[in-house]
Amino acid sequence: QKEVEQDPGPLSVPEGAIVSLNCTYSNSAFQYFMWYRQYSRKGPELLMYTYSSGNKEDGRFTAQVDKSSKYISLFIRDSQPSDSATYLCACNYGQNFVFGPGTRLSVLP
Amino acid sequence: DARVTQTPRHKVTEMGQEVTMRCQPILGHNTVFWYRQTMMQGLELLAYFRNRAPLDDSGMPKDRFSAEMPDATLATLKIQPSEPRDSAVYFCASKLASNTGELFFGEGSRLTVL
Repeated sequence: QKEVEQDPGPLSVPEGAIVSLNCTYSNSAFQYFMWYRQYSRKGPELLMYTYSSGNKEDGRFTAQVDKSSKYISLFIRDSQPSDSATYLCACNYGQNFVFGPGTRLSVLP
Repeated sequence: DARVTQTPRHKVTEMGQEVTMRCQPILGHNTVFWYRQTMMQGLELLAYFRNRAPLDDSGMPKDRFSAEMPDATLATLKIQPSEPRDSAVYFCASKLASNTGELFFGEGSRLTVL
């Protein structure tokens, strides 16, 4: 079992839909949880990070962490074609970062 | 606009040749990582440095890969000799040593070894 699991998709949604992206992890030592967006042939771009359990909102993006179930989510409201990218979750403690394989999202106009 | 800068962006070389990739971390960031990304394996940690000292290079094939930080503004990753299986995108990332999850990536160096 990998430390961080993520459905690779691909996931296709119509413009304006609410998107839900999810990851599970196995190591309870993880303290920080991140979501990265990666466009084709670009580097991963840090979207959001949260510490421990809870929600964090930034514009159309909401990150949720449930440490009791080792489950992290990213919600995208009013999705746009420009949101089409691969989304990677990541978990961290100390200098140890573990990334999920990424979910490829396509938002269709 | 603070960002991690990597060169070259693309490199095509022949098997057996030496390849050097360079990274300029964000100014003030003292922890630098090298990752390799492939379709099959995703993002894999190769090595990381704190205050220019290598702390973990267990992800690197030691016989052909080497990573250094000659100074605080430059990290290098060298492959000698290169092999076709080294074809991948190599990312540099940097962060402050403080214990947060804010890790910032460069745009990557896409390596093709023929």
